[in-house]
Amino acid sequence: DQQVKQNSPSLSVQEGRISILNCDYTNSMFDYFLWYKKYPAEGPTFLISISSIKDKNEDGRFTVFLNKSAKHLSLHIVPSQPGDSAVYFCAAYNTDKLIFGTGTRLQVFP
Amino acid sequence: DAGVIQSPRHEVTEMGQEVTLRCKPISGHDYLFWYRQTMMRGLELLIYFNNNVPIDDSGMPEDRFSAKMPNASFSTLKIQPSEPRDSAVYFCASSLRRRPTYEQYFGPGTRLTVT
Repeated sequence: DQQVKQNSPSLSVQEGRISILNCDYTNSMFDYFLWYKKYPAEGPTFLISISSIKDKNEDGRFTVFLNKSAKHLSLHIVPSQPGDSAVYFCAAYNTDKLIFGTGTRLQVFP
Repeated sequence: DAGVIQSPRHEVTEMGQEVTLRCKPISGHDYLFWYRQTMMRGLELLIYFNNNVPIDDSGMPEDRFSAKMPNASFSTLKIQPSEPRDSAVYFCASSLRRRPTYEQYFGPGTRLTVT
């Protein structure tokens, strides 16, 4: 049973526009959420995180929003750049371990 | 720091053979995780260690899979015997629990192909 779900396997966005990646979770006990970015032939790298006591966290072009009542989080990238093309994983923290979603492949085209 | 090191980067083997994947975590990190990435299931946690002790192996798919961490700087994931459905990318990650972000640092992965 997938506790963390990314229902969109892929997303294509034009350079300069906003990219919005979505993630849903089922366990209300999760208290910390992270986004990871993965390029081909590399391991995932940490991008941004948010605690459950917040509803927004911003880092440069990247903003993560958390809606606890809906058990939903999203990652906004503004403006999108070709170098942002990668697979993005959301993850939820639960007692020492991270539970990952299946990933969304973002393609940013010129 | 060199980051998390995994070897080999690619492994091609025949069904029934034993496969051993290796990982060197970042020095000083006290948690080590083994993941498997597939298209259908994304990143699955197989097992993790804290201070070299296995804590949770509930993600290990079958008895054919085993993992060890003999010391703080080395871990292995072994598959014996291997099957074609084990073909995937296997990642090792390490972390320092005391960091507030719960961030994990991943190695580059081992792409395993079982024919």
